[in-house]
Amino acid sequence: QKEVEQNSGPLSVPEGAIASLNCTYSDRGSQSFFWYRQYSGKSPELIMSIYSNGDKEDGRFTAQLNKASQYVSLLIRDSQPSDSATYLCAVNMGLRGFKTIFGAGTRLFVKA
Amino acid sequence: DAGVTQSPTHLIKTRGQQVTLRCSPKSGHDTVSWYQQALGQGPQFIFQYYEEEERQRGNFPDRFSGHQFPNYSSELNVNALLLGDSALYLCASSYRENTEAFFGQGTRLTVV
Repeated sequence: QKEVEQNSGPLSVPEGAIASLNCTYSDRGSQSFFWYRQYSGKSPELIMSIYSNGDKEDGRFTAQLNKASQYVSLLIRDSQPSDSATYLCAVNMGLRGFKTIFGAGTRLFVKA
Repeated sequence: DAGVTQSPTHLIKTRGQQVTLRCSPKSGHDTVSWYQQALGQGPQFIFQYYEEEERQRGNFPDRFSGHQFPNYSSELNVNALLLGDSALYLCASSYRENTEAFFGQGTRLTVV
């Protein structure tokens, strides 16, 4: 079992739709969770962090965390073509959470 | 406010050589993590430095070593380069542990 798993996609949604990206993780003791966006040829860019169970909203983005199910998700509302990128889920693991483990990423395509 | 800066941006080395990559963290950050990202994969955690010490290490051989300086900048050294070391090397900085990390633009290393 991979430490952080994501569906590799590609996920294709029409412009204006909601894109739903999912992530599961193996370390039940993990406390910090992050979503990054990575455009082709660029470095990852932090979108959101979430530390507590429930939802956290920031603009068009909503992160959801369920520690009992070891599940994190990212919803993108009113998807735009500029949202087309790879979305990386990251989880802090290891002794005191010093090791950040990334999933392989989900490729999102937003069709105009 | 300068973000995370890495140098060089691109590098070509011959198999068996040694390479040093450099990273300056974002202002106010004291923790530096290094990642290796192969094409089509998520970033793989190499190690994290805090207070000039390696705090956590991923599954990388001893050929990969690092250093953090008193001004929080960091170096990644790779000895005896292999063709498989060709990748994008990313540096991320944060303030202490378990907080949001921000990436530099990366160094693209090609081993021939």
